[in-house]
Amino acid sequence: QQQVKQSPQSLIVQKGGISIINCAYENTAFDYFPWYQQFPGKGPALLIAIRPDVSEKKEGRFTISFNKSAKQFSLHIMDSQPGDSATYFCAASKAGAQKLVFGQGTRLTINP
Amino acid sequence: DTAVSQTPKYLVTQMGNDKSIKCEQNLGHDTMYWYKQDSKKFLKIMFSYNNKELIINETVPNRFSPKSPDKAHLNLHINSLELGDSAVYFCASSLGVSTEAFFGQGTRLTVV
Repeated sequence: QQQVKQSPQSLIVQKGGISIINCAYENTAFDYFPWYQQFPGKGPALLIAIRPDVSEKKEGRFTISFNKSAKQFSLHIMDSQPGDSATYFCAASKAGAQKLVFGQGTRLTINP
Repeated sequence: DTAVSQTPKYLVTQMGNDKSIKCEQNLGHDTMYWYKQDSKKFLKIMFSYNNKELIINETVPNRFSPKSPDKAHLNLHINSLELGDSAVYFCASSLGVSTEAFFGQGTRLTVV
């Protein structure tokens, strides 16, 4: 049972374009939704996170859009750069659960 | 001054052997985790410890035994290694669960 479903599996975007990765969750008890970025040979690193009391959060070129009624959230990367090429994971957790549930990951490639 | 450090980074061993992976965090966090990343890059929780106490054991075989000698350390011992144990194992820590989790660089375990 996949509690967090992520799409697409892979994405190719031209430099300067907008990268969009989507996630859907099932458990309405989830109250924390982070996005992680992972480069080859490295551990995942937190990029940006949101809680369900807001519909959007922006940090630099990265924006999370959150739709509580649809149980979906997405990551938008504006002005995508070759250095953004990495694998991105959405995740979710609920208070007291002591774990993150990850999506399947999206391999993003930004072409120069 | 690495926040979450795990050793070794690479581990190649034969089937049936016993091996350990060490993890230390210097962030003062109270919660530590072990995650497994399979060949398709899917990240899944294995164990979660809070203040040295096991909180989550996510249906991991008994051959895997975590040990937390203190809040800053969480080691993973694996008995009777099998081919299917080949994966990248990540240690992580956080202050509480619905907060940023910091991941180590991972240990790539290859069982031959």
